[in-house]
Amino acid sequence: EAGVAQSPRYKIIEKRQSVAFWCNPISGHATLYWYQQILGQGPKLLIQFQNNGVVDDSQLPKDRFSAERLKGVDSTLKIQPAKLEDSAVYLCASSLGLSETETQYFGPGTRLLVL
Amino acid sequence: AQSVTQPDIHITVSEGASLELRCNYSYGATPYLFWYVQSPGQGLQLLLKYFSGDTLVQGIKGFEAEFKRSQSSFNLRKPSVHWSDAAEYFCAVGTTSGTYKYIFGTGTRLKVLA
Repeated sequence: EAGVAQSPRYKIIEKRQSVAFWCNPISGHATLYWYQQILGQGPKLLIQFQNNGVVDDSQLPKDRFSAERLKGVDSTLKIQPAKLEDSAVYLCASSLGLSETETQYFGPGTRLLVL
Repeated sequence: AQSVTQPDIHITVSEGASLELRCNYSYGATPYLFWYVQSPGQGLQLLLKYFSGDTLVQGIKGFEAEFKRSQSSFNLRKPSVHWSDAAEYFCAVGTTSGTYKYIFGTGTRLKVLA
């Protein structure tokens, strides 16, 4: 079974530029998550989708971050414009559903450096 | 508010020695608890999880964890560490406050000496 795929794996941009990350979850997984992991910290949930609907985006900085999952499968996370403090690893995860007993499976992440 | 504390930022052990990584949680209801491992440049891999039942949980790669409600702890253990276990370990609690989500600790970086 293929795992969660993410691209690109690495990205370097200058502040005020825009950047987009792509995630393809495990086939059949209805729930998709985007996390931000700043160096030295644990992952922090940014946004959570159930199929193509947003379940929780309470910690997403909506003035600069946006995410979509148009057909309930792939998802993109965009930052526009980027700030220095956005330097982090962006992890995508998926699970079968929203139940408390569902395991989240993580992709390899996209490492973003904002100069 | 729900939270997870991993008191040890770094731990160094010799290969073959035993290992215990600490995790304390704050959560009002019965917690769903997880341990993940992250190798350099990799995503998080699930080691084990606790939902209910037997408080000693077996996971992959020879790891186990024990849920102690009285101490609000879910410590990860391994009897004999291998060099390949060097990685960062994250404890997480699944919370149903609002929507179901994970809250992660800040992680413990394990170094293994040959």
